[in-house]
Amino acid sequence: GIQVEQSPPDLILQEGANSTLRCNFSDSVNNLQWFHQNPWGQLINLFYIPSGTKQNGRLSATTVATERYSLLYISSSQTTDSGVYFCAVYDYKLSFGAGTTVTVRA
Amino acid sequence: DAGVIQSPRHEVTEMGQEVTLRCKPISGHNSLFWYRQTMMRGLELLIYFNNNVPIDDSGMPEDRFSAKMPNASFSTLKIQPSEPRDSAVYFCAIAINEKLFFGSGTQLSVL
Repeated sequence: GIQVEQSPPDLILQEGANSTLRCNFSDSVNNLQWFHQNPWGQLINLFYIPSGTKQNGRLSATTVATERYSLLYISSSQTTDSGVYFCAVYDYKLSFGAGTTVTVRA
Repeated sequence: DAGVIQSPRHEVTEMGQEVTLRCKPISGHNSLFWYRQTMMRGLELLIYFNNNVPIDDSGMPEDRFSAKMPNASFSTLKIQPSEPRDSAVYFCAIAINEKLFFGSGTQLSVL
């Protein structure tokens, strides 16, 4: 199956800072999604982004399918952004990376 | 995401007991997935259904695990007999136009 690697594994931010999370995948995909798992364990779909760039408030994502990577940008981070961010790619099933744990400090 | 209702939210049971986890998705989905999340192994796909038919159950750990989807609005994951190593959070998810939406999960503890 497709391998999904996320970096960095952990990220500590001061409130207001910007950051970039990366997702590399081992093969061509036509479906890539980003999820946020909040401290209560709930998994929220942030983006469905097989290619191109999308924005959702302070979050944006870019996928360069030909180079097999995707980036998630968090701007002006807030404490509510804390949690684990997962990248997942879909061939015939959705395979998840190990996640990036983000801690935003006030 | 409010489109998938899982029950119970928490389940504590003793080794050897049967456990049944339930999932009630909203309408409009074409696929349903069961995932398991542990610290060691992350999010693992156990089984997925397309149009209520099991398509891939290669992620089901062993014969103790079984899943059913009798109709589009209900699915169960059963573990019989349960073992301590089955302790995890079990998520049900649905795909609508290939975008995945998760339920809140069931935290299972097998003592």
